Amino acid sequence: AQSVTQLGSHVSVSEGALVLLRCNYSSSVPPYLFWYVQYPNQGLQLLLKYTTGATLVKGINGFEAEFKKSETSFHLTKPSAHMSDAAEYFCAVSDAGKYGGSQGNLIFGKGTKLSVKP
Amino acid sequence: DVKVTQSSRYLVKRTGEKVFLECVQDMDHENMFWYRQDPGLGLRLIYFSYDVKMKEKGDIPEGYSVSREKKERFSLILESASTNQTSMYLCASSLLQGALNYGYTFGSGTRLTVV
Repeated sequence: AQSVTQLGSHVSVSEGALVLLRCNYSSSVPPYLFWYVQYPNQGLQLLLKYTTGATLVKGINGFEAEFKKSETSFHLTKPSAHMSDAAEYFCAVSDAGKYGGSQGNLIFGKGTKLSVKP
Repeated sequence: DVKVTQSSRYLVKRTGEKVFLECVQDMDHENMFWYRQDPGLGLRLIYFSYDVKMKEKGDIPEGYSVSREKKERFSLILESASTNQTSMYLCASSLLQGALNYGYTFGSGTRLTVV
């Protein structure tokens, strides 16, 4: 069965420092991978996704993630943290789906709360 | 942009009450989902639906039911609310064909407190 592990429930960085949020997955089918961001008291917003093709994916707000099949990882990075990046981040992987292909459901990790210190 | 609208941001209900959480999307999406979100547990799928009048159980359906009478509306029902159902509830929708090419669109959430 598909699963997602996010290493670290809380990550704290200083403003201007590198942001690295870790995500490892297991999947019996070629995975679709997603990162979502949730600001306080809001729903989840799509940050970026990997479906096929280029393994380095760029998203909104300067974030990017690299799909590494050999490491079953999809870590999220941003070169320089900003105070507005403080939020909770969720990694998600597709399951095999009832109909297969691109019709599966998403399985979410438990989330990583990012704090940014001035 | 797809809009997923949840009718209430905050709700306070009493134990034993029947509670309805409403979700409406405006982009003709086939798939709709209900999740609950709790600290340290992430998002857990309660129910989902691929079509009108169709529903499938997720990981934690106990104590919940759903209704999908129209394509754009997916309701979550707590038949007899209990304090352990105090949580943030998130609704989401997606296309059926190529759902994973686009991901899900989420509503803003309903924070339910059962007292």
